[in-house]
Amino acid sequence: EAQVTQNPRYLITVTGKKLTVTCSQNMNHEYMSWYRQDPGLGLRQIYYSMNVEVTDKGDVPEGYKVSRKEKRNFPLILESPSPNQTSLYFCASSSTGGDQPQHFGDGTRLSIL
Amino acid sequence: EDQVTQSPEALRLQEGESSSLNCSYTVSGLRGLFWYRQDPGKGPEFLFTLYSAGEEKEKERLKATLTKKESFLHITAPKPEDSATYLCAVRNAGKSTFGDGTTLTVKP
Repeated sequence: EAQVTQNPRYLITVTGKKLTVTCSQNMNHEYMSWYRQDPGLGLRQIYYSMNVEVTDKGDVPEGYKVSRKEKRNFPLILESPSPNQTSLYFCASSSTGGDQPQHFGDGTRLSIL
Repeated sequence: EDQVTQSPEALRLQEGESSSLNCSYTVSGLRGLFWYRQDPGKGPEFLFTLYSAGEEKEKERLKATLTKKESFLHITAPKPEDSATYLCAVRNAGKSTFGDGTTLTVKP
């Protein structure tokens, strides 16, 4: 089954403790992206990757890191999480970065105390 | 800067009462306008892609249309299972910009 898999689905952690949210897709897609969704602010793009070893900032990249060493994986790293990064996070992929629809994971709900 | 504005924020309909959702956009180089449906606690699910003004696409009770400045999602004779948040998004190379969505509630 074609899917985008995120882990963990839920995480409660404390300020400053480094964490990684993993994202994997099994569709051989070139493009992957991370979003955060907050009430009243909609979906906002954090980082995206047009292909392996190519990453670019979205609208809200501050406090996040990403890497794309393999085509199927695109982890999101929070080096020193803060409470304002409490949010619902989605990973998505598409076959190309331009005009193809994105497939989304089921989301990761992150709470930083 | 690319912008997407959706209206209304919320829409309540009776079952069978048709209506339309609006998505106004400004983008420097439109590669596609996308409609997604999002159910509570889930990731957005793709509905339609529109590429050029005048294009229309249909799926069951939904029909999406596109002009140079806006897109409409028409819902004909909706059912309670159509209740969800509908998101509009534009792509400009790798950058994606989403609207805040319209939350549709269809009462039986």
